[in-house]
Amino acid sequence: KNEVEQSPQNLTAQEGEFITINCSYSVGISALHWLQQHPGGGIVSLFMLSSGKKKHGRLIATINIQEKHSSLHITASHPRDSAVYICAVRSYNTDKLIFGTGTRLQVFP
Amino acid sequence: KAGVTQTPRYLIKTRGQQVTLSCSPISGHRSVSWYQQTPGQGLQFLFEYFSETQRNKGNFPGRFSGRQFSNSRSEMNVSTLELGDSALYLCASSLMQVDNEQFFGPGTRLTVL
Repeated sequence: KNEVEQSPQNLTAQEGEFITINCSYSVGISALHWLQQHPGGGIVSLFMLSSGKKKHGRLIATINIQEKHSSLHITASHPRDSAVYICAVRSYNTDKLIFGTGTRLQVFP
Repeated sequence: KAGVTQTPRYLIKTRGQQVTLSCSPISGHRSVSWYQQTPGQGLQFLFEYFSETQRNKGNFPGRFSGRQFSNSRSEMNVSTLELGDSALYLCASSLMQVDNEQFFGPGTRLTVL
């Protein structure tokens, strides 16, 4: 079983829909990252959080440390949001970054 | 401010050769991390450097090595290349070590024939 699990693996949405991507992890962590990767490979860091909730524009990330779960929400989705979204956790014990397998999102106009 | 740059962007090598990849972090950033991304294994952590010292290392064989220079630029080297080393190699820089926001470079796509 992977230490970081994401769901769903693939997601298709119509423009304007509210989207949720989930991340569950099994290790103790010092922080959790949400990353966005567009076709061609470039990765952008969206959020880094260790508790609570962060918001940036139409993106919201939440984390529940007790339940070892995080969610990434996209409000009013747009075709330019189409990308792979990757959850990564910094292991408290090993200090290494462990990645989920990613969620491929496609938003159609 | 210039972003993270990686050279070369594309590379084709044959089995048994060695390769050196370069990463220049954002000016002022002292931490550089390297990652390997393959379709089968996804993203995996390779190394993390801070102030010329390797802070952490992922679960890769000794053929994978790296270093960081006094100007924070970093190189990674893979010796005796295998077909399975074909991947996108990404580096990321951050201001300090551990959990600062990471800024990723465009990656070097290595193909081993």
